[in-house]
Amino acid sequence: SAVISQKPSRDICQRGTSLTIQCQVDSQVTMMFWYRQQPGQSLTLIATANQGSEATYESGFVIDKFPISRPNLTFSTLTVSNLSPEDSSIYLCSVAGRVTEANTEAFFGQGTRLTVV
Amino acid sequence: KQEVTQIPAALSVPEGENLVLNCSFTDSAIYNLQWFRQDPGKGLTSLLLIQSSQREQTSGRLNASLDKSSGRSTLYIAASQPGDSATYLCAVRFSNDYKLSFGAGTTVTVRA
Repeated sequence: SAVISQKPSRDICQRGTSLTIQCQVDSQVTMMFWYRQQPGQSLTLIATANQGSEATYESGFVIDKFPISRPNLTFSTLTVSNLSPEDSSIYLCSVAGRVTEANTEAFFGQGTRLTVV
Repeated sequence: KQEVTQIPAALSVPEGENLVLNCSFTDSAIYNLQWFRQDPGKGLTSLLLIQSSQREQTSGRLNASLDKSSGRSTLYIAASQPGDSATYLCAVRFSNDYKLSFGAGTTVTVRA
């Protein structure tokens, strides 16, 4: 299985600030995704992180609020900008499609629990 | 719209009982289906992956079946233990872009 390191594991942030979350994978992967899990709810896909180009955002999510970088096949960052209490959620990095294998299993990081005060 | 539904939303059983968790999806043309476990405030741990050509997968006390024609998957956990207490999520890959659609999850409590 892929080993994913997601940092930070949790943070408490002030309104109006930003938080950048890092996702590092132990092997090259084709696909990297960012999900949000609001309290008591299931996961919602924010965007697909594309290597070397702009991320592909799902309906309801925009680049100004959730800028994403993916400089190579093993690393991505998600920034949650201009924080409000409604952004309090768990943010999860997911990877799929390791370059060296045909396995299509998806793996997740341990998540970042964000609380906005 | 491609949707994934999990029933029941919550389940409480005494230790030793077998668990049966259900997942249904609206489009039978799937690539694969994955079952995950999530502990409170944590990330997701992959339990089983079933490819669209498979009918079931087994890992230890876990067995997952897939019936594409009826749009259903069932996760069986044999001889439940308190450590099995968690939320179990079903996720379906409907397309070739690796995106997953998640059900709302079933929260399991195994009483000692």
